[in-house]
Amino acid sequence: TQLLEQSPQFLSIQEGENLTVYCNSSSVFSSLQWYRQEPGEGPVLLVTVVTGGEVKKLKRLTFQFGDARKDSSLHITAAQPGDTGLYLCAGAEGRDDKIIFGKGTRLHILP
Amino acid sequence: DSGVTQTPKHLITATGQRVTLRCSPRSGDLSVYWYQQSLDQGLQFLIHYYNGEERAKGNILERFSAQQFPDLHSELNLSSLELGDSALYFCASSVGPLAGYYEQYFGPGTRLTVT
Repeated sequence: TQLLEQSPQFLSIQEGENLTVYCNSSSVFSSLQWYRQEPGEGPVLLVTVVTGGEVKKLKRLTFQFGDARKDSSLHITAAQPGDTGLYLCAGAEGRDDKIIFGKGTRLHILP
Repeated sequence: DSGVTQTPKHLITATGQRVTLRCSPRSGDLSVYWYQQSLDQGLQFLIHYYNGEERAKGNILERFSAQQFPDLHSELNLSSLELGDSALYFCASSVGPLAGYYEQYFGPGTRLTVT
C-alpha cells in the first residue's frame, strides 16, 4: 500500500515569513494533487503535478514534483493570514484508482 | 462553489439506524468519490464510481454501501450505525480516470452525528 507522509504536521509562523511543506512517499505516483481545506468545508484543489521535476506557481505558492515522482513540496512566499488552513497532498494508488491522501500539514499564519 | 452538491448538510441519528447521503457531481464529471473524515483519521477514501460502475474500494465497512445512478448522482448508505461512524462525509467528482490524473472537486460535506 502506498503512503503519503506529510511534514510538518503543524506549522505556525508569522505573517511575511516563507515556508515549505513536504509530501513524501516510497512509491512512484503518476500525478499528485495539492488541496487546501478550511474547517468544516471540503478540500479545494490547488494544483496537479504530473511530470518529474515539474514546478508550478500559483501566485505566492510554488509546487514542485520530485524528479522520481515520489515526493512533492509546497513553498509559500511571504505568508499571509489568508494562507491559514490544512494543506493536503493526494495521489492515486496503482492502477486501481484508490485515492490516497496524506494526513496534511495544518498551517497557521499569525498576523 | 465547486459545483458538487451534497444533501443533507447535517444529520443526527441514533445508533442502529440507517441513513442515506446524496451527492450530485459537477456537470460533465463521470467519477464520484466518497470519503470519511474524522479528527483522528484524516480523509479516508471509501469508494470510487465511474459512469455507474464501481471502480475502486478503499476502507469501506461492510455496513456501508454506495451506488451511482444513470443520471450520475450517487448515494452512500450507512446502516447499523455506531457512535464511531460520526464524521464528516465528503463526496467529490472528477472527469474520470481516463484523464490520467485525479483532480477532484469536493462537495460541502454531510456532518453525521450518531447518538
